[in-house]
Amino acid sequence: DAKTTQPNSMESNEEEPVHLPCNHSTISGTDYIHWYRQLPSQGPEYVIHGLTSNVNNRMASLAIAEDRKSSTLILHRATLRDAAVYYCILRSNFGNEKLTFGTGTRLTIIP
Amino acid sequence: EPEVTQTPSHQVTQMGQEVILRCVPISNHLYFYWYRQILGQKVEFLVSFYNNEISEKSEIFDDQFSVERPDGSNFTLKIRSTKLEDSAMYFCASRGQQNTGELFFGEGSRLTVL
Repeated sequence: DAKTTQPNSMESNEEEPVHLPCNHSTISGTDYIHWYRQLPSQGPEYVIHGLTSNVNNRMASLAIAEDRKSSTLILHRATLRDAAVYYCILRSNFGNEKLTFGTGTRLTIIP
Repeated sequence: EPEVTQTPSHQVTQMGQEVILRCVPISNHLYFYWYRQILGQKVEFLVSFYNNEISEKSEIFDDQFSVERPDGSNFTLKIRSTKLEDSAMYFCASRGQQNTGELFFGEGSRLTVL
């Protein structure tokens, strides 16, 4: 599996934007960049995914570097409910490839 | 909004006992997964299931584990003879047809083996 590197932890103030980085220098052409998060005592939850272009949805934005070797998940206005572990995962679009979770970034929101 | 449901939410069992964890995936989904998370550790892949057979399994998924989709709605994980180290949260997930589609996870079943 292609590997991703994320900071272990980050802090942000409530109601401010949060930029969560992810490095994936060995990404292949068929790998999509997926972001999931896990709130305390819950199962993982899909956030967003993309291939080459930046993506926006109701939860977040995903900014993908032109060379695709890094990406940034952007939470536009963090709330206390956004405190979670955020996982950046590469997943091929071929077949039934599983998601492989790393250790992620633990995001703490400061009120 | 459709969701994946899991039962029981918490099960306590004695070492050596059989345990069945149940999942009801989202109704039109075709791909099914079990993951587990030991307390304080990563979410680990166990097995994926498609078209009534296992697509892929990890090293964790040994002969003590089995999965079944008995009636077209439920998706079960059976542990034949539980060990202390099987204590973990077990998450079921499902996804639809699209290969890049998101996985929907359940809330998990906490298994405690004494």
